[in-house]
Amino acid sequence: DTGVSQDPRHKITKRGQNVTFRCDPISEHNRLYWYRQTLGQGPEFLTYFQNEAQLEKSRLLSDRFSAERPKGSFSTLEIQRTEQGDSAMYLCASSSMARRSQSDTQYFGPGTRLTVL
Amino acid sequence: RKEVEQDPGPFNVPEGATVAFNCTYSNSASQSFFWYRQDCRKEPKLLMSVYSSGNEDGRFTAQLNRASQYISLLIRDSKLSDSATYLCVVILNTGGFKTIFGAGTRLFVKA
Repeated sequence: DTGVSQDPRHKITKRGQNVTFRCDPISEHNRLYWYRQTLGQGPEFLTYFQNEAQLEKSRLLSDRFSAERPKGSFSTLEIQRTEQGDSAMYLCASSSMARRSQSDTQYFGPGTRLTVL
Repeated sequence: RKEVEQDPGPFNVPEGATVAFNCTYSNSASQSFFWYRQDCRKEPKLLMSVYSSGNEDGRFTAQLNRASQYISLLIRDSKLSDSATYLCVVILNTGGFKTIFGAGTRLFVKA
């Protein structure tokens, strides 16, 4: 399977615990995105990487959230001291941008569903 | 005002009907436009890009109106399998690239 993969698919945790999600993008895609989606809403942009550089972060990404892409391949999203409001689907997407002006078609992984009790 | 707005629906249509969705965007720096489809509890999947000249893919036609800042999606001859949420996506070029999704329009196609 050469699509975007995410792990775990589901995570249930207690409030105050830390959680970490992993995303493996499509091979050789240089851009990787994280989104959060709640019921009845579209995905909300959190952050994106071009290779290993984190180029943009949303204001939604509080200081409890951190994302890394250390070698420009897979990425991790960590949420510290989880809150019930963090319950959502966390989606990862990747794209290949050969040139800055090229249209950015993103391909999504299946998501990690987080439930904070 | 949201940066990307869609009618949430739901649109309930019979099989074979033609249905159209609109999406408006507020930022003139919007550069690229897409329609994605999302099935219940699944990830979004690209349906089609939207070009200024308009584009068609089988039963689906997308249009972009930059002057009025909206994009549209037309589905002809609706199938039961078209039932899904359709997400409008706008990419802004403000130095960096920012992706904004609409909240989606729900479509139910019934036999």
